[in-house]
Amino acid sequence: KQEVTQIPAALSVPEGENLVLNCSFTDSAIYNLQWFRQDPGKGLTSLLLIQSSQREQTSGRLNASLDKSSGRSTLYIAASQPGDSATYLCAGPHLTAGNKLTFGGGTRVLVKP
Amino acid sequence: DAGVTQSPTHLIKTRGQQVTLRCSPKSGHDTVSWYQQALGQGPQFIFQYYEEEERQRGNFPDRFSGHQFPNYSSELNVNALLLGDSALYLCASSYILSSNQETQYFGPGTRLLVL
Repeated sequence: KQEVTQIPAALSVPEGENLVLNCSFTDSAIYNLQWFRQDPGKGLTSLLLIQSSQREQTSGRLNASLDKSSGRSTLYIAASQPGDSATYLCAGPHLTAGNKLTFGGGTRVLVKP
Repeated sequence: DAGVTQSPTHLIKTRGQQVTLRCSPKSGHDTVSWYQQALGQGPQFIFQYYEEEERQRGNFPDRFSGHQFPNYSSELNVNALLLGDSALYLCASSYILSSNQETQYFGPGTRLLVL
């Protein structure tokens, strides 16, 4: 059974610092690894999707890496801004589970002005 | 394109009642998945519908049931509500033929409070 863990559960940084969010998964047999952003009480917004054959994806200030052998993904957010304050979730569909997503518990980020 | 829409946005019920939540997928999508997100936790997969049939199911009791209509919209029904059913219910849509190469699109969710 796939288990996804995100550490830390919460993170507070001053504006301008780089953010590093970690995601680990127990079973490397995944199609892809996805990072989502969730604002309080809202739905999920997709940030980046890394296919299992890729090692990283970049979008603007966001960069996500994937290391299947170690069961880890990392989301980097450069030069954080107060608008980056949100909960960040990682999720991946297992090869035997269609596109059912198994989520981590999320990392709640606060960027202080 | 309106994206994924869900209704209602908020709902308050009492224990033992029944509730129906609704979801309209993004245009061009044919698969709908439902997730339950308790406060402070990540979403948990409930089930997925494609071609009006349940394709996959997570670890949820039979009190949770669903339906998909010919226009691909979907309903989630929960019977005999328990306090623990209080959560944000998220709907996600995708296109079956590219579902593992593309992200799923999530709706804004329905916040259910059971008293």
